[in-house]
Amino acid sequence: GQNIDQPTEMTATEGAIVQINCTYQTSGFNGLFWYQQHAGEAPTFLSYNVLDGLEEKGRFSSFLSRSKGYSYLLLKELQMKDSASYLCAVRGYMEYGNKLVFGAGTILRVKS
Amino acid sequence: DSGVTQTPKHLITATGQRVTLRCSPRSGDLSVYWYQQSLDQGLQFLIQYYNGEERAKGNILERFSAQQFPDLHSELNLSSLELGDSALYFCASSVRAGASSNEQFFGPGTRLTVL
Repeated sequence: GQNIDQPTEMTATEGAIVQINCTYQTSGFNGLFWYQQHAGEAPTFLSYNVLDGLEEKGRFSSFLSRSKGYSYLLLKELQMKDSASYLCAVRGYMEYGNKLVFGAGTILRVKS
Repeated sequence: DSGVTQTPKHLITATGQRVTLRCSPRSGDLSVYWYQQSLDQGLQFLIQYYNGEERAKGNILERFSAQQFPDLHSELNLSSLELGDSALYFCASSVRAGASSNEQFFGPGTRLTVL
């Protein structure tokens, strides 16, 4: 099976940097995703890691260590609109399918 | 706008009833996924279809069923509804089915309330 852990809530200040951690245990690993979800809205894709290392995309970066079962999402120059839930999701290996298992999400509150 | 559409946006019904949720994937996407999101459970994968065939199954109840039609739209049928089925139901789509596919694009969701 798969188990994903993320902090429940975090608070950070506008303009600052915040790191949201995700640890996972999986019987087979084939990629890790980060999604952003505003309350009552659809999740939107932020990043994808399948190899170890850092992927940078503008103000957002995501890091993966497969040996440690660990990832983080780094948000720089925080803006008020970044207040949302951030979901870590792991894809297990499936030959014919594509199943994502989501963590419970980290609610990020950005304060001025 | 992800390009994935879902209808209806809101649905209010009574326990014991049956409802059908509809999803149209992005143009060109062959895979459709259904997720349930409730306050205490987070986003739970239910089922995946690829080009009309079931490809992956999650924690989908026997009272729930889905299908994907030749035009690639999908329907999720929920029957014998219980209060605990109240949730947001999301549909997502992606181009391909398996390990080579990457991101899934989510629709706006259907909010189901069972009274």
